[in-house]
Amino acid sequence: RKEVEQDPGPFNVPEGATVAFNCTYSNSASQSFFWYRQDCRKEPKLLMSVYSSGNEDGRFTAQLNRASQYISLLIRDSKLSDSATYLCVVNSRGNKLVFGAGTILRVKS
Amino acid sequence: ETGVTQSPTHLIKTRGQQVTLRCSSQSGHNTVSWYQQALGQGPQFIFQYYREEENGRGNFPPRFSGLQFPNYSSELNVNALELDDSALYLCASSLVRPARRSGTFSAGELFFGEGSRLTVL
Repeated sequence: RKEVEQDPGPFNVPEGATVAFNCTYSNSASQSFFWYRQDCRKEPKLLMSVYSSGNEDGRFTAQLNRASQYISLLIRDSKLSDSATYLCVVNSRGNKLVFGAGTILRVKS
Repeated sequence: ETGVTQSPTHLIKTRGQQVTLRCSSQSGHNTVSWYQQALGQGPQFIFQYYREEENGRGNFPPRFSGLQFPNYSSELNVNALELDDSALYLCASSLVRPARRSGTFSAGELFFGEGSRLTVL
């Protein structure tokens, strides 16, 4: 079993739609959680950290459920520019980030 | 953009050869991590260097080795290249602060370079 698992997609959605991605992790001792975004043939970039209380940044909302070892990312009012691969990332030890394989999002006009 | 630069950006090698990839970290960062990203996969942790010493290693064989220099720049060396080593190699710098009590490390945000795309024929 992979340490971080994501649905690879692709999720094909129209502009303006709301889309949600889920991610599960296997290490219950994991301390920190993140969503990174990766555009085609580019490097990953931090989208947002995920806090236990949940957090929101504009159209993006991230939530963490430690009991179920589950992380989610919700994107409201999707834009064409949101098309990318979204990587779920877990920090299971202080110095190692474990990446999921990513979920592909395609927003179409 | 991130202040992390990698070289070369693309290279082609043949099986059995050796390769050295280089990374300059963002100013003020003390830690460099290397990741391998195969096509269609997420980045896989190779190892991390903190203050010129290896500080954690993923599931990669010893022919993957690295160095960190006093200016915090880093090299990734891969010996005896295999076809499966073809991938995008990403360097990420961060500022890591050791926790006073436990001695463990608190990893800050990772800033990635644009990567070195290695093709092994």
